[in-house]
Amino acid sequence: DTAVSQTPKYLVTQMGNDKSIKCEQNLGHDTMYWYKQDSKKFLKIMFSYNNKELIINETVPNRFSPKSPDKAHLNLHINSLELGDSAVYFCASSPTGVITEAFFGQGTRLTVV
Amino acid sequence: GDSVTQMEGPVTLSEEAFLTINCTYTATGYPSLFWYVQYPGEGLQLLLKATKADDKGSNKGFEATYRKETTSFHLEKGSVQVSDSAVYFCALSLIQGAQKLVFGQGTRLTINP
Repeated sequence: DTAVSQTPKYLVTQMGNDKSIKCEQNLGHDTMYWYKQDSKKFLKIMFSYNNKELIINETVPNRFSPKSPDKAHLNLHINSLELGDSAVYFCASSPTGVITEAFFGQGTRLTVV
Repeated sequence: GDSVTQMEGPVTLSEEAFLTINCTYTATGYPSLFWYVQYPGEGLQLLLKATKADDKGSNKGFEATYRKETTSFHLEKGSVQVSDSAVYFCALSLIQGAQKLVFGQGTRLTINP
């Protein structure tokens, strides 16, 4: 039973399109994240939500909009996709208030053509 | 700001060789430190962690000691295997402020038989 699951695993789309990536966790965690991994494997946090409330927004373009319908889900919607958005996007979750490990999904490889 | 610096990769070793991947950090508070591993095509998995100075994290033959005086958390393994080939990420998480993981740039490790 997958702890943090993302869909889709691969996403190929044209510039200018709008797309969404879904994330669900069944660990009962209060905090969820989106990370972006570029072609050089560098990982950078994009957003953090705690109990459906936005906590961290790390200078991400407005075209990226996270949505948390409940604390088990954190979806990422991207408008007007650009070539530079091509990357692997990871969802993660962790308990709140405890410095412990974050659990990562398998990633969504987004390719904008 | 808070940051993590890892040794440049890629690192290529023969099976049963000794491994060291260097990691140093800069943080304003008292971070917890982590090593994550990413196998090909997968998400990140926690390898080991240490939450305070002089703690030693260990797992699967890997070890790292939290050195506050040198702000380091070097990863070591006495005898690597082909199955250890992966990308390794050093990361920190701060107790104060919004909880997030700050990652180093990753080090790709290849073990040849």
